[in-house]
Amino acid sequence: EAGVTQFPSHSVIEKGQTVTLRCDPISGHDNLYWYRRVMGKEIKFLLHFVKESKQDESGMPNNRFLAERTGGTYSTLKVQPAELEDSGVYFCASSLGQGFSEQYFGPGTRLTVT
Amino acid sequence: LAKTTQPISMDSYEGQEVNITCSHNNIATNDYITWYQQFPSQGPRFIIQGYKTKVTNEVASLFIPADRKSSTLSLPRVSLSDTAVYYCLVGDPLYSSASKIIFGSGTRLSIRP
Repeated sequence: EAGVTQFPSHSVIEKGQTVTLRCDPISGHDNLYWYRRVMGKEIKFLLHFVKESKQDESGMPNNRFLAERTGGTYSTLKVQPAELEDSGVYFCASSLGQGFSEQYFGPGTRLTVT
Repeated sequence: LAKTTQPISMDSYEGQEVNITCSHNNIATNDYITWYQQFPSQGPRFIIQGYKTKVTNEVASLFIPADRKSSTLSLPRVSLSDTAVYYCLVGDPLYSSASKIIFGSGTRLSIRP
């Protein structure tokens, strides 16, 4: 069974540009999460989808970040316009159950904003 | 939500048993203890979850004393491939929202030949 995949693995963009990250969860997992780790900091929760609905987006840092999960399958996280402080690793995870249930993480997308 | 405290780093040698302790003094009645492992350039990977006493799987054992204010992840006979960061998380699997998940700094375990 395929695990959680993320695309791209790396992205380097200039400040002010737009970047879209993609996450494909494990098939059948209704719960999809986005996390990020900015340089030197801890992994932080961004938001949680249940199917196509946003269950909790309390971790989204500001309105430059937009997450979607059309059709309840893959998800995208768009940053527009990107700022220097957005640099970091963005992880996606999926699970059958919610919250503290076992989550399966993708390898992450390393975003560098210059 | 219960905050956890774990050592920043640990070193050990191949073939040894490694025990990583996590303190969670404010753990709530319905909270479970969950451990994740993260290798460089990868996302965290679920290792084990428990509520009390002892849980064992093919990867590790989790020891939880009666007061549940701490827990110990035990890795038997470690190898170089066990070098990773280990995170201890505490929360209610049924009712804690994902936004309450706190990874913290984790414990950086280094295994030497």
